[in-house]
Amino acid sequence: KAGVTQTPRYLIKTRGQQVTLSCSPISGHRSVSWYQQTPGQGLQFLFEYFSETQRNKGNFPGRFSGRQFSNSRSEMNVSTLELGDSALYLCASAPGGGEYGYTFGSGTRLTVV
Amino acid sequence: QKEVEQNSGPLSVPEGAIASLNCTYSDRGSQSFFWYRQYSGKSPELIMSIYSNGDKEDGRFTAQLNKASQYVSLLIRDSQPSDSATYLCAFIGGFKTIFGAGTRLFVKA
Repeated sequence: KAGVTQTPRYLIKTRGQQVTLSCSPISGHRSVSWYQQTPGQGLQFLFEYFSETQRNKGNFPGRFSGRQFSNSRSEMNVSTLELGDSALYLCASAPGGGEYGYTFGSGTRLTVV
Repeated sequence: QKEVEQNSGPLSVPEGAIASLNCTYSDRGSQSFFWYRQYSGKSPELIMSIYSNGDKEDGRFTAQLNKASQYVSLLIRDSQPSDSATYLCAFIGGFKTIFGAGTRLFVKA
């Protein structure tokens, strides 16, 4: 059974650019959550999608957005990148609402220069 | 007040000892609690879930939940060097899983 797949694994962008990260959940999983992980802040919740609907959003600026497609694949987009956006972005999937826990992907390491 | 509080550590225990990790949370309505393990350079991995007050055992791991006191703990018996990792406490609140910053555990051989 394939796990959660995130692409790309590594990304280097320049300030002001935008970036799109992709996540393919485990087959059959309908919930996808995105997290930002930095050494100082730990895992910060970005948003959660279930059957193409965003059910919750974290305390991030509007530059961070996401969406989920009918096949449960999800993308997140960050526009007008700032140096502080450098982080590991993790996607996690679950069959339902995460009540039995999430399975994480390997993450996308974003570096903004 | 942070939603999830954990001692950042590092917690250092000798091989074979019991490691005790603790966590407090803010949402009294939460019903689902988790422990994730994260090795350096890797993504978090679910190791335990607990939903009722009391203890839940799985191999060398025991999770303990006390909803009245709003704390959850993880005991690792017979700690091994391979248990050295960061342990993240988490709970579900409003369609999101909220994580603590994690406790770094170091098991000395």
